[in-house]
Amino acid sequence: QVQLRESGPGLVKPSQTLSLTCTISGDSISSGGYYWDWIRHHPETGLEWIGYIYHSGDTSYNPSLKSRLSLSVDTSKNQFSLKLTSVTVADAAIYYCARQDRGMINTFDLWGQGTLVTVSS
Amino acid sequence: QAALTQPPSVSGAPGQRVTISCTGSSANIGAANDVHWFRRLPGTAPQLLIYRNNNRPSGVPDRFSGSKSDTSASLAISGLQAEDEADYYCHSYDNSRRAFVFGTGTKLSVL
Repeated sequence: QVQLRESGPGLVKPSQTLSLTCTISGDSISSGGYYWDWIRHHPETGLEWIGYIYHSGDTSYNPSLKSRLSLSVDTSKNQFSLKLTSVTVADAAIYYCARQDRGMINTFDLWGQGTLVTVSS
Repeated sequence: QAALTQPPSVSGAPGQRVTISCTGSSANIGAANDVHWFRRLPGTAPQLLIYRNNNRPSGVPDRFSGSKSDTSASLAISGLQAEDEADYYCHSYDNSRRAFVFGTGTKLSVL
């Protein structure tokens, strides 16, 4: 059974960089057919797509975050990661990693449990 | 403003049928982009309920159904059960924003 698990610091100071990692178990990130996404949930504004990465390293970012965002993949560790620079309180949210099927299902068919990120000095 | 708009809340009694609307525009739903539906319980991973407008993943009961017309979509839940209480979100792609977008979310209460 494929599972995704987010990890990273739960507290980040304003203006610093948020770094999160998603570890995939039960399947290989290199198996193809999927994009690997980051999505966040704000209590007030709901779900927001952050971006995705393919195992080759190809990426697509939400234009609203593109200037601060970097996604990377480590196929040897079966992980993909997020770096978001210059964070503010508006970046406080639950961050999910998710698998996006690019075939028949054509959407996010598997999600991690999520990790809460607080932005505070 | 949100690309996809949903009612903040809906409610129904056990056994009843409810529908949740998702209103978009010509940039997303009206552009023939697929609509998908997710359910989120606090503290748990979101679950895919409907993909590509009206398809259920394996394991999702046929009490859940989806439809799409013009610039809007709907999720219908029949035979309401207490465990259906959750937040529901629609999702599509917005050609104008060049991003995947989610609905504003609807909280379902089972009375």
